Amino acid sequence: GQNIDQPTEMTATEGAIVQINCTYQTSGFNGLFWYQQHAGEAPTFLSYNVLDGLEEKGRFSSFLSRSKGYSYLLLKELQMKDSASYLCAVRDNYGQNFVFGPGTRLSVLP
Amino acid sequence: NAGVMQNPRHLVRRRGQEARLRCSPVKGHSHVYWYRQLPEEGLKFMVYLQKENIIDESGMPKERFSAEFPKEGPSILRIQQVVRGDSAAYFCASSRQGESNQPQHFGDGTRLSIL
Repeated sequence: GQNIDQPTEMTATEGAIVQINCTYQTSGFNGLFWYQQHAGEAPTFLSYNVLDGLEEKGRFSSFLSRSKGYSYLLLKELQMKDSASYLCAVRDNYGQNFVFGPGTRLSVLP
Repeated sequence: NAGVMQNPRHLVRRRGQEARLRCSPVKGHSHVYWYRQLPEEGLKFMVYLQKENIIDESGMPKERFSAEFPKEGPSILRIQQVVRGDSAAYFCASSRQGESNQPQHFGDGTRLSIL
């Protein structure tokens, strides 16, 4: 079966660092993606990991451990505009289908 | 360099009517995905199509829902005899073929409201 877990909600303070975790159990693995979705808007692509390790992109970094079925998204120097839902998605091996987690709603407070 | 185009952005239907949601993928993308999202919930996969073929429809309700992606024209998600529970945001996404590191690109969604 396909299962992806993320915390439902997180709160952090402007300027701080926050780590959003994602664990997955899928029938195949061909990469993990993180998306950001503001309320009422489309998801937008943030990062991609297929090999173990850390990928850094400005204030955002994403980590993957395939043996543990685990990823995290790290957001540094938080800004108010980072308040959004963050979606973890796994691409399976058998086609190009994507399985999405439930999303983590992040609130950044002043 | 147009992204994924969905229309209409908002659609209101009465119970029992039909809803047709359209999606034009990014130029050059041959894979289309439809998702449903309820307020403050995650994306629920519905169907995955390539041109003229349904690849995976495991997330589609067995009745009233259908999807197509014809050789020419946009992908269509069709909901017949709509009920109140069909009210949701429906997102379409597209991706390229054969490039596993390519993410899906999402449209702005269609917000369907059933009166």
